[in-house]
Amino acid sequence: SAVISQKPSRDICQRGTSLTIQCQVDSQVTMMFWYRQQPGQSLTLIATANQGSEATYESGFVIDKFPISRPNLTFSTLTVSNMSPEDSSIYLCSGSRTGVAGELFFGEGSRLTVL
Amino acid sequence: TQLLEQSPQFLSIQEGENLTVYCNSSSVFSSLQWYRQEPGEGPVLLVTVVTGGEVKKLKRLTFQFGDARKDSSLHITAAQPGDTGLYLCAGAFLLSGGSNYKLTFGKGTLLTVNP
Repeated sequence: SAVISQKPSRDICQRGTSLTIQCQVDSQVTMMFWYRQQPGQSLTLIATANQGSEATYESGFVIDKFPISRPNLTFSTLTVSNMSPEDSSIYLCSGSRTGVAGELFFGEGSRLTVL
Repeated sequence: TQLLEQSPQFLSIQEGENLTVYCNSSSVFSSLQWYRQEPGEGPVLLVTVVTGGEVKKLKRLTFQFGDARKDSSLHITAAQPGDTGLYLCAGAFLLSGGSNYKLTFGKGTLLTVNP
């Protein structure tokens, strides 16, 4: 299995501020994704992080709110901008390897609470 | 948009009982995966099924992929408290280019096994 680590593991933030979450993956990973998991809910894909280019966002998510970078193959960041309490959630970094039927490996998640 | 309906959403049973979780869609998937997530952790892949009609066993867990590759079930025999967690099914479909996949997740089944 691939190794994926992300930080911070949790944070408490004030309304209107921004937080950047970092994700480091091992070299087996080719594609990287960012998911959101609201309390007691399933996973919603925010975007696919593309190496060296703009991320591909899913419907309902925009770059201004969730800017994503992936400067190299093994590192990505997700920023949650101008936060509101509705952004309180777990944000999960995940990765997959080419040709392995879409299997995902996940980081431990970043639990964000916005006051 | 490919949708996956997962049921039941909540399940609370006694140790030793059997249970089945279902995942259904009107879409055909390249593969279907089952994940388990424990509190404070990211989801962990349990199994991937690829071929229609495929059955895979993982100790007391039996996974089945429907013949048409649109549905799947997870059956747990003699459940134990250690089986407690959120079970997620995810359908994978190929992206254009043919070498990478995108997943859509079911809403999850929160299983509690009481001693």
